[in-house]
Amino acid sequence: RKEVEQDPGPFNVPEGATVAFNCTYSNSASQSFFWYRQDCRKEPKLLMSVYSSGNEDGRFTAQLNRASQYISLLIRDSKLSDSATYLCVVSPTKFYFGSGTKLNVKP
Amino acid sequence: NAGVTQTPKFQVLKTGQSMTLQCAQDMNHEYMSWYRQDPGMGLRLIHYSVGAGITDQGEVPNGYNVSRSTTEDFPLRLLSAAPSQTSVYFCASSYREGAYNSPLHFGNGTRLTVT
Repeated sequence: RKEVEQDPGPFNVPEGATVAFNCTYSNSASQSFFWYRQDCRKEPKLLMSVYSSGNEDGRFTAQLNRASQYISLLIRDSKLSDSATYLCVVSPTKFYFGSGTKLNVKP
Repeated sequence: NAGVTQTPKFQVLKTGQSMTLQCAQDMNHEYMSWYRQDPGMGLRLIHYSVGAGITDQGEVPNGYNVSRSTTEDFPLRLLSAAPSQTSVYFCASSYREGAYNSPLHFGNGTRLTVT
């Protein structure tokens, strides 16, 4: 079983839509959780950390569900510029990457 | 702070040549690592270091060497380049492996082609 699993997508959504991604992890001892954004052939960039109580940054909301061992990312009012691949990263000690979920926001 | 700096940005090698990809960070991070990413694929860990003088193998270490003589620098050496090593290479650092809420910071990447 992979340490971290993500739906690869693609998710094709119209501008203004709300879209949500989930990411499941296998190690219940995991303490740190992150969402990264990666544009084509560029470096991954930290989008946000995920805290136990959930956290929000503008149009982006991240949630952690320890009981079911998944994290989620909600994007509201999608923009064309949100089109990218979204990676979840889980860290019990080492860093484990999901394979990424591709988002296409269309006009 | 410059963050994580990788050089060169692009490189073309012939099969059998050797070269070193440079990585430096100015954030006093203990943890540094190298990943490769092939087209349409996820990141795969090559080597990592939890501090100066300490290195360890990741998922795909064959054909690569690393050293960590200082906290700031973590060069990746290709011993004898092969076409299978054509990829984008990312260096990444973090305050400390396993530290709570200590994310990875990535360099801009090196795009390597081996002919």
